[in-house]
Amino acid sequence: QITLKESGPTLVKPTQTLTLTCTFSGFSLSTSGVGVGWIRQPPGKALEWLALIYWDDDKRYSPSLKSRLTITKDTSKNQVVLTMTNMDPVDTATYYCAHAAYGSGSYYSDYWGQGTLVTVSS
Amino acid sequence: QSVLTQPPSVSGAPGQRVTISCTGSSSNIGAGYDVHWYQQLPGTAPKLLIYGNSNRPSGVPDRFSGSKSGTSASLAISGLQAEDEADYYCQSYDSSLSGYVFGTGTKVTVL
Repeated sequence: QITLKESGPTLVKPTQTLTLTCTFSGFSLSTSGVGVGWIRQPPGKALEWLALIYWDDDKRYSPSLKSRLTITKDTSKNQVVLTMTNMDPVDTATYYCAHAAYGSGSYYSDYWGQGTLVTVSS
Repeated sequence: QSVLTQPPSVSGAPGQRVTISCTGSSSNIGAGYDVHWYQQLPGTAPKLLIYGNSNRPSGVPDRFSGSKSGTSASLAISGLQAEDEADYYCQSYDSSLSGYVFGTGTKVTVL
């Protein structure tokens, strides 16, 4: 059974760096073809893809946020960490991590965490 | 703004069939990258509904079906039920962005 859970601060101040951790079970990020991604959703708005890390440590970032994002993995701890620098109130959103499976030419997110709401405010 | 465009809303009576379009371009859907669909019920995390254009994960009713043609894809819901009232998102890969993109989202209302 695959499960994922996001953890991190619920409130950050503008200009601060956000660090979110995704702790998962039921799969290994060292298995070929597996990935873990981050997606966010501002209140009342659409989903926005942020980043994805693959089993071989290859990484992909949203071009619009690439300069602010870093995604890393700790295979031994079954964790993936996302850092986002220079936080702004517009970054207020629910942040999700998700297991990414490869099939038919691209990755899709078949298991999602419950999400964590991060508010950016002074 | 997203590179995948969906209608903001669609509605239908119980039992009817509704379709949701996802319009992309030559750098994503038109380039041959697969389209995946997610359902997000109010206050919950998204759930994978369709992967690889037309494949349903185990447990997803066959009322849901997906298709793709050219630079667009569609999600159809037949025999619409009250529990289908949710937001729906398409997703694909974009080669010009070198990353994954979601559609703008569609709210389905059951009348």
